[in-house]
Amino acid sequence: AQKVTQAQTEISVVEKEDVTLDCVYETRDTTYYLFWYKQPPSGELVFLIRRNSFDEQNEISGRYSWNFQKSTSSFNFTITASQVVDSAVYFCALTTYNTDKLIFGTGTRLQVFP
Amino acid sequence: GAVVSQHPSRVICKSGTSVKIECRSLDFQATTMFWYRQFPKQSLMLMATSNEGSKATYEQGVEKDKFLINHASLTLSTLTVTSAHPEDSSFYICSARARLLPRQGAYDHGELFFGEGSRLTVL
Repeated sequence: AQKVTQAQTEISVVEKEDVTLDCVYETRDTTYYLFWYKQPPSGELVFLIRRNSFDEQNEISGRYSWNFQKSTSSFNFTITASQVVDSAVYFCALTTYNTDKLIFGTGTRLQVFP
Repeated sequence: GAVVSQHPSRVICKSGTSVKIECRSLDFQATTMFWYRQFPKQSLMLMATSNEGSKATYEQGVEKDKFLINHASLTLSTLTVTSAHPEDSSFYICSARARLLPRQGAYDHGELFFGEGSRLTVL
C-alpha cells in the first residue's frame, strides 16, 4: 500500500527564516513519482515539483529546494528566506507506476509572519 | 502549461437539491479525470476516477448514487452531488491527465493538472 506522511501539521516562521517541510513516503513499488503542491488560501493546487524514483538528484528552483533520500524514504522541501507569500498549505503526494492514483499527505500549514 | 477549469468555483444550495460541477480541460484532451474532496484543514481524498466513455471507478466508501460522475467527452467531466445535505459541504477538486501518445508509458504521471476547485455549501 502507498502512504505519505507529513508529520508537521503547522509551522510558523518569521520572514526571511529558512523552513523545511518533511515528507516520508511508503511504497513497495520500485518505480514511483513524488510531488509537492502548494495550496494558498484561495484553494487551487499549485504544482511545484515532480521527482521520479530513479532520480535522486536534489533540485533547486529559486528559493525552493528539494532533498530526495531513497534510503530514508523522504522527500523534504526547503524554502530559503521565506516570505509572507509563501504562507499556504503544502502537500506531498505519491503515485506509482502501477496505478494512476495520487496519494496525498495530510499537508503542512506554513505561516510566515512579517 | 495546460489548463483545467472548474465551474462553478463557489455554489450555495438548499438541502435536497442537486448540484453539478464541471471540470474542463481547456487545451488538451483528458482521457482520465480524477475527483477529489477536501474537508476544511484536511487533505485531498480521491473520490473517483473518471475515464472518457466508461463508468467511473469509485473509491471505497464513496456513494455512487450520491456522487454521479459523467465523462462524456475528452474535455469534460461532471460531478453531480444529488440530494445534497449539509454534510456534503466541502471543497471539490478535479484533476485531468492528458491523452497518451503512443510513445508514452502506461501512465504519464507528470501530465496531471488540477482545476481551481469548487466550494460547495449546503444550507
